This record gives sequence, C-alpha cells and structure tokens, in this order.
Amino acid sequence: AQSVTQLGSHVSVSEGALVLLRCNYSSSVPPYLFWYVQYPNQGLQLLLKYTSAATLVKGINGFEAEFKKSETSFHLTKPSAHMSDAAEYFCAVSDTNTGNQFYFGTGTSLTVIP
Amino acid sequence: NAGVTQTPKFQVLKTGQSMTLQCAQDMNHEYMSWYRQDPGMGLRLIHYSVGAGITDQGEVPNGYNVSRSTTEDFPLRLLSAAPSQTSVYFCASTTLRGRDLGEQYFGPGTRLTVT
Repeated sequence: AQSVTQLGSHVSVSEGALVLLRCNYSSSVPPYLFWYVQYPNQGLQLLLKYTSAATLVKGINGFEAEFKKSETSFHLTKPSAHMSDAAEYFCAVSDTNTGNQFYFGTGTSLTVIP
Repeated sequence: NAGVTQTPKFQVLKTGQSMTLQCAQDMNHEYMSWYRQDPGMGLRLIHYSVGAGITDQGEVPNGYNVSRSTTEDFPLRLLSAAPSQTSVYFCASTTLRGRDLGEQYFGPGTRLTVT
C-alpha cells in the first residue's frame, strides 16, 4: 500500500517568512500527490495536485509544491506566510494504477506568529 | 451546487447504540468515501465506493457498514457504537475521470462521541 510521511507535526513561522511543509511518499511508481488544507472545524480543501504533467505545481493561496522523484518528496512551500495560512495541512497520495484509494499523512499544524 | 453535505454535525451515542451518518453529493462523482480523523493519526479510510452498487473496505472498516444505492448518497452505519469510534467523520467525493481525477471534495464533518 501507498503511504506518506509528513515530517513535523507542528511548524511555526513568522508572518512574512518562508513556509516549508515536508512530505515524503513511498512508491516505486510516481503516484498522484495532493496537498489539502483544513481550517478549524471545517472539512479539507484541495490546495494542489501533482499528476506528472509538471514537477512544480502551483496551487491556491500562493502555495506551490515540487515533485522530486529521486527524493520521493513533495514538499509544500509559500514564499511569505500570512496570518490566514494558520491551519492543518495534509499530504495525500493515490495509486495511479487503481486510483481508488487515497492515503493521508498525519498532518502538519502551521502556526503563523505576528 | 451544494457540494458534499453531511448530517448530523454532532452526535452523542451510548455504547451499543446504532446510527447512520448521512452523506450526499450533487456533483455526479463516481467515487465516494468515508474517513475518520483522530488526533495525531491524520485521516484514515473506512470504506469507499467507485459507483452505485459497488463498495469496498478501506484501512479501518471494522464496526462500520456502507451501501451505495444511488450515485448521490453514501450513508455510513455504525452497527454497535463503541467508545473507540469517538471521532470526527468526513465524507468525500471525487471523479475518477478527466483532469479533475482524484481531487476530493469534503463534507463539513460529523463529530461523534460515544459514551
């Protein structure tokens, strides 16, 4: 089965600083990869998706992620953090062969310090 | 479009009681799924369906049943509630075709407490 590992359950950054949230996947075949954001007491919203069309994927709210096959990584970045970015972020993977099971990481809680 | 709707938003059950969590989507998505979210464990897949009449087990299916009689609805049944089923439950849907393949839409969640 596929799996994803998110390093760091809690990340704190100052407002205006770089945001870097780490995600590594386990797969011998490049899968579909996703980043979702969850604001308090809400469901998850899709930030961006990797489908092998391009290694650098741009998402909503200024976030982007780079797929690195050699490192089996799909880290999420944003050049300048905003207070409204404070939320829980989840990396997820799907097997491209079956496409019908999605595996989520344990999440990273982002705190933005004013 | 309403997207994915879930009812109820909150529920308290006593051990041994049964109940059904409702989920509906109006996007004509083939794929629907149920997850539970527990602190420090992310989202874990309970059951999923790739179309009406087709369901399958996910990572943590024990104690839960599902059915998919229509494209729109995917209810989750707790057969005999246990305290270990205290969690937040999310329903999600996506298409399995085209450019939007795999992009899941989530409902607002149901917070369940079993005493």
